[in-house]
Amino acid sequence: GNSVTQMEGPVTLSEEAFLTINCTYTATGYPSLFWYVQYPGEGLQLLLKATKADDKGSNKGFEATYRKETTSFHLEKGSVQVSDSAVYFCALSPRDSGNTPLVFGKGTRLSVIA
Amino acid sequence: EAGVAQSPRYKIIEKRQSVAFWCNPISGHATLYWYQQILGQGPKLLIQFQNNGVVDDSQLPKDRFSAERLKGVDSTLKIQPAKLEDSAVYLCASSFNSGGAYEQYFGPGTRLTVT
Repeated sequence: GNSVTQMEGPVTLSEEAFLTINCTYTATGYPSLFWYVQYPGEGLQLLLKATKADDKGSNKGFEATYRKETTSFHLEKGSVQVSDSAVYFCALSPRDSGNTPLVFGKGTRLSVIA
Repeated sequence: EAGVAQSPRYKIIEKRQSVAFWCNPISGHATLYWYQQILGQGPKLLIQFQNNGVVDDSQLPKDRFSAERLKGVDSTLKIQPAKLEDSAVYLCASSFNSGGAYEQYFGPGTRLTVT
């Protein structure tokens, strides 16, 4: 079946540190891949997406590359800020086209300290 | 553009009571989802609507959960009777096609506590 595995949290970093949150997936066919972010007390927000192999999604200094050969979609940011503290969810949509529900990982909580 | 609206934001009930949640999707979004997010886990689909028809309710515990989407716009999710394990955040999302991928937009969620 379809599944997403994320690195366990929490992750605690100092401001301006480099961030990597690992995400690997299992899916049939060619899924679309997403990173969502959930700030305290708020709903999920789409952070970035990639719809095919070797696509790079980017937004707000975050980026992730769709790696079909390693079935991965790791999230990276070169210099984190305190305002990046949130829970990050990796997710896939099982078909590369078509309106299907998302399959989420368990989430990784990031805390950035000044 | 207004986002997905949900109410109430918080609800505390006793087990065996009933509860209902309401969702208003983004205007023009034909697809609406209800997800359940248990503490420490990612959201899991309960039910998907396309307009006012059910596309997927395979993971909805139908002995106690029900959902409807009248006129293809607003939706309600009901739990009757509630169990302790229903304590979770209930997220509503709606989606549209953007550049080949259906982007889902989430509401703030309703946090349910069953005591």
